[in-house]
Amino acid sequence: DAGITQSPRHKVTETGTPVTLRCHQTENHRYMYWYRQDPGHGLRLIHYSYGVKDTDKGEVSDGYSVSRSKTEDFLLTLESATSSQTSVYFCAISGWFGQPQHFGDGTRLSIL
Amino acid sequence: TQLLEQSPQFLSIQEGENLTVYCNSSSVFSSLQWYRQEPGEGPVLLVTVVTGGEVKKLKRLTFQFGDARKDSSLHITAAQPGDTGLYLCAVLEDDKIIFGKGTRLHILP
Repeated sequence: DAGITQSPRHKVTETGTPVTLRCHQTENHRYMYWYRQDPGHGLRLIHYSYGVKDTDKGEVSDGYSVSRSKTEDFLLTLESATSSQTSVYFCAISGWFGQPQHFGDGTRLSIL
Repeated sequence: TQLLEQSPQFLSIQEGENLTVYCNSSSVFSSLQWYRQEPGEGPVLLVTVVTGGEVKKLKRLTFQFGDARKDSSLHITAAQPGDTGLYLCAVLEDDKIIFGKGTRLHILP
């Protein structure tokens, strides 16, 4: 398996609180991605990174920010969580954009 | 309009039967990927097809890319309970990574 670790694996929090999800890779891949997966919508790209401090928006970026200060770490932050952000979040990595991706095992986030 | 239409959405069949699932679009793609996702895990890449008409086999799974590179199919021969999962297709379109909503397959023992 590609070395991708997501933390935490599960989190329950309240509306309005900040939340940060972490993705850590040991593969030294250039690209890292954050997706959310919801019933009826499938996997949707939130943000991605193409290098340290280089990030760009995906399809559903509103309400989310990201940071990449090191090659191996990509953080997803919900500044003020809302119930609509309840979802399963997946991190993925690849060598170049659009290349087949390796996914982490996901973080199940519940916003009450 | 969904860029990638996967059908059927759900499929439940008996062990040993054959099945085909589809990934269709009106757009032309340079390549298409198939993933399988099991409960509680992330998607895992099965195959990438890049050439129109290409056929790739992975044990009992046969993947085909349409001649016009607008669609793809996945055929499973003699399905087994271990084939149960969510099958996703994905493409790169205008610098966007697009996933279909998937076909949820359940193989009954």
